[in-house]
Amino acid sequence: EAGVAQSPRYKIIEKRQSVAFWCNPISGHATLYWYQQILGQGPKLLIQFQNNGVVDDSQLPKDRFSAERLKGVDSTLKIQPAKLEDSAVYLCASSGNRGPRQFFGPGTRLTVL
Amino acid sequence: SQQGEEDPQALSIQEGENATMNCSYKTSINNLQWYRQNSGRGLVHLILIRSNEREKHSGRLRVTLDTSKKSSSLLITASRAADTASYFCATDVDNTDKLIFGTGTRLQVFP
Repeated sequence: EAGVAQSPRYKIIEKRQSVAFWCNPISGHATLYWYQQILGQGPKLLIQFQNNGVVDDSQLPKDRFSAERLKGVDSTLKIQPAKLEDSAVYLCASSGNRGPRQFFGPGTRLTVL
Repeated sequence: SQQGEEDPQALSIQEGENATMNCSYKTSINNLQWYRQNSGRGLVHLILIRSNEREKHSGRLRVTLDTSKKSSSLLITASRAADTASYFCATDVDNTDKLIFGTGTRLQVFP
């Protein structure tokens, strides 16, 4: 089966600019997660979707971050405006109904200058 | 916030040696998972151990779980250069699918 797809793989922007990341989960996976991984740390959950509804967005900085999952499949994560501290790898993961295991995409490495 | 703390933060060994990394967590769990992350890549699931299990094996991997001490260990036997990666433990939260990851152990295996 095809894995979780993410694009772009790399993005460099200047602070105060906007950026968007795209994720396509494994076919049939109802749950989709966005994580932020700062260099040297473990991934931190930003938002969790179940189909196209938000389950948990308690760690999402909503003043600048937004995410949507239209039609319960693809998802986009947007940052507007970006800050220097947003430099990180943004990981998308999905899971099905066969257990708590999550499947991760390759991530998008964001550098904010 | 990070649920788990992993120890050591970094580990360097020779091929053929065993590697042991430890994870401690703070709250009660239903299960604990271990993931591997190669440099610049996403995470790959290695193994899951449930709270009522004490030990689990998968190939060269052995995981133990001590819920009384809120700790787990991952043993990689007969390590290979290809095992070079960061290893993270992750625990579920409040009976949900949500995971909280530890800080990770960076393993370097020299040929």
